Amino acid sequence: AQKITQTQPGMFVQEKEAVTLDCTYDTSDPSYGLFWYKQPSSGEMIFLIYQGSYDQQNATEGRYSLNFQKARKSANLVISASQLGDSAMYFCAMREGDQAGTALIFGKGTTLSVSS
Amino acid sequence: GAVVSQHPSRVICKSGTSVKIECRSLDFQATTMFWYRQFPKKSLMLMATSNEGSKATYEQGVEKDKFLINHASLTLSTLTVTSAHPEDSSFYICSARDFRASGSNQPQHFGDGTRLSIL
Repeated sequence: AQKITQTQPGMFVQEKEAVTLDCTYDTSDPSYGLFWYKQPSSGEMIFLIYQGSYDQQNATEGRYSLNFQKARKSANLVISASQLGDSAMYFCAMREGDQAGTALIFGKGTTLSVSS
Repeated sequence: GAVVSQHPSRVICKSGTSVKIECRSLDFQATTMFWYRQFPKKSLMLMATSNEGSKATYEQGVEKDKFLINHASLTLSTLTVTSAHPEDSSFYICSARDFRASGSNQPQHFGDGTRLSIL
């Protein structure tokens, strides 16, 4: 079974609108972390936001917020006031446990296209 | 913030050549680094976990003899694609996490990746 599922291969949004990118996860570990990364066409991975399994509140970082629904095992990324520069591929990722030696596992990604 | 340097950024070479990719953590120490492979518009697939001073741990299906990993110091891991063939062409990206950072909220820091093209 996939650990991270992103069901939207592509999303389209107009400038200044908000957009939600979906992510569901599967783990039996009570301690885990969920991450969102942005990958522009140049290839670098840009860390956006983090949500811990024990966090009581949804994470927010500027225009990015994470809609964390633990019972449903979902961690959707919300981008408010979209900008042209937000066009990129977005990956949801999970780390099970909290050891430094544990790798992130990535979803298949969602390509976001922002139009003017 | 934490920086990971990956070199070279792009390689084009003939079939049969061996190619070495370096991954350095510039301002932190990493006992563990990770190597991923990514095909165009696809996900990052974990290839192996590189452990300082010991053997790397490879994911299922990754050929150890094809993808040699060396992690000789706390700031450097190398991936060597041996006798590369066109099917090895891909985007390879490394990442690392500060080993002193505790807690699951510490993100992995990524290099900028290496685009490998085998002719």
